[in-house]
Amino acid sequence: DQQVKQNSPSLSVQEGRISILNCDYTNSMFDYFLWYKKYPAEGPTFLISISSIKDKNEDGRFTVFLNKSAKHLSLHIVPSQPGDSAVYFCAASGMTNAGKSTFGDGTTLTVKP
Amino acid sequence: KAGVTQTPRYLIKTRGQQVTLSCSPISGHRSVSWYQQTPGQGLQFLFEYFSETQRNKGNFPGRFSGRQFSNSRSEMNVSTLELGDSALYLCASSPRVAGGSGANVLTFGAGSRLTVL
Repeated sequence: DQQVKQNSPSLSVQEGRISILNCDYTNSMFDYFLWYKKYPAEGPTFLISISSIKDKNEDGRFTVFLNKSAKHLSLHIVPSQPGDSAVYFCAASGMTNAGKSTFGDGTTLTVKP
Repeated sequence: KAGVTQTPRYLIKTRGQQVTLSCSPISGHRSVSWYQQTPGQGLQFLFEYFSETQRNKGNFPGRFSGRQFSNSRSEMNVSTLELGDSALYLCASSPRVAGGSGANVLTFGAGSRLTVL
């Protein structure tokens, strides 16, 4: 049973436009939701997170939205830049299990110049 | 400050052998977790250590084991290697286990890429 799902394996957008990456989860016990970005030959790096008590968190060009009733979160990147091209992983964890995060399979974002 | 360091970065083994991977967390981080990433797959949780104790374990066979030392450095071992164990093994550290801002953020190393022939 995959508790965190990213249904789009890939996404291609034009530079300057908005990128929207989606993630669904099934476990209502998750307290934190995080997005990580991964370049080839590197480990994932933390991008942005949101607590389950909030519905939006913004950090520069990146905004994460959480819809608890739908068990859905999304990452918006505006404007998209070629350097944003990477694999994006959605992850979820509990309050007391920081090290045990559950990851989605990732979405490969390509931003075309 | 130095990031998470994993060694070796690449290694090739044959079926039936065993392998040990090493991870040095960020200074001050006491929680170390291990994840396996196979092609086209997300990161699968292996186990987490905190204060030299295994706190959580993922759904992997007993051939996968780990330990943590008093300086928070961690090792994972895979015995009797199978072809399906070929993967990128990622280590991540975090500052603490329970709650608080930043506690749930993992800092990953670059990974150890294992190829089993």
